[in-house]
Amino acid sequence: SAVISQKPSRDICQRGTSLTIQCQVDSQVTMMFWYRQQPGQSLTLIATANQGSEATYESGFVIDKFPISRPNLTFSTLTVSNMSPEDSSIYLCSVEVGRTGDTYEQYFGPGTRLTVT
Amino acid sequence: RKEVEQDPGPFNVPEGATVAFNCTYSNSASQSFFWYRQDCRKEPKLLMSVYSSGNEDGRFTAQLNRASQYISLLIRDSKLSDSATYLCVVNGRGGDMRFGAGTRLTVKP
Repeated sequence: SAVISQKPSRDICQRGTSLTIQCQVDSQVTMMFWYRQQPGQSLTLIATANQGSEATYESGFVIDKFPISRPNLTFSTLTVSNMSPEDSSIYLCSVEVGRTGDTYEQYFGPGTRLTVT
Repeated sequence: RKEVEQDPGPFNVPEGATVAFNCTYSNSASQSFFWYRQDCRKEPKLLMSVYSSGNEDGRFTAQLNRASQYISLLIRDSKLSDSATYLCVVNGRGGDMRFGAGTRLTVKP
């Protein structure tokens, strides 16, 4: 498994501003993922972040809105840019552990609860 | 069609009951299957992987039917602490994990 921490745990932000969320893992991992979970909904993958390369974004998410950094194998950041109330959500970092072929387990950070006013 | 579909729930059951959740997935090439548990205002936590032969972990039994692209989770002797949302997870076309919308379970005394 992996121990994952996120900062901040929650924030209330004004529309038009940006927030950077940090994700720290206690071990080196190749793949890190950023998800969004809106109230009452399941998780939606925003992007996959590999160390040393550009993040891969899912349909509906773009780098200008959600820039991601992955400077090393234990750390990543997600920025939510030019926020609007529709960005209010929980943002979750996760990591892949124990990959064998296409099979792996995924562990999640505690999430960042973002409210945009 | 969603990649992963689950019983919408909610399921409200008494303590000691047996409850079953179902999940279907659309990607026939999927190789990884999991059940996660998510408590209110918490992150999802891996409950168990689902293997082709089916597997059991205490009161929890998971089954996979590849032909029907169907996964199930059975909880026996429900406890109050089992109350949570259960997420069915399958790896998608790009290899990334795809989550179902979740089934909410409430176990009552």
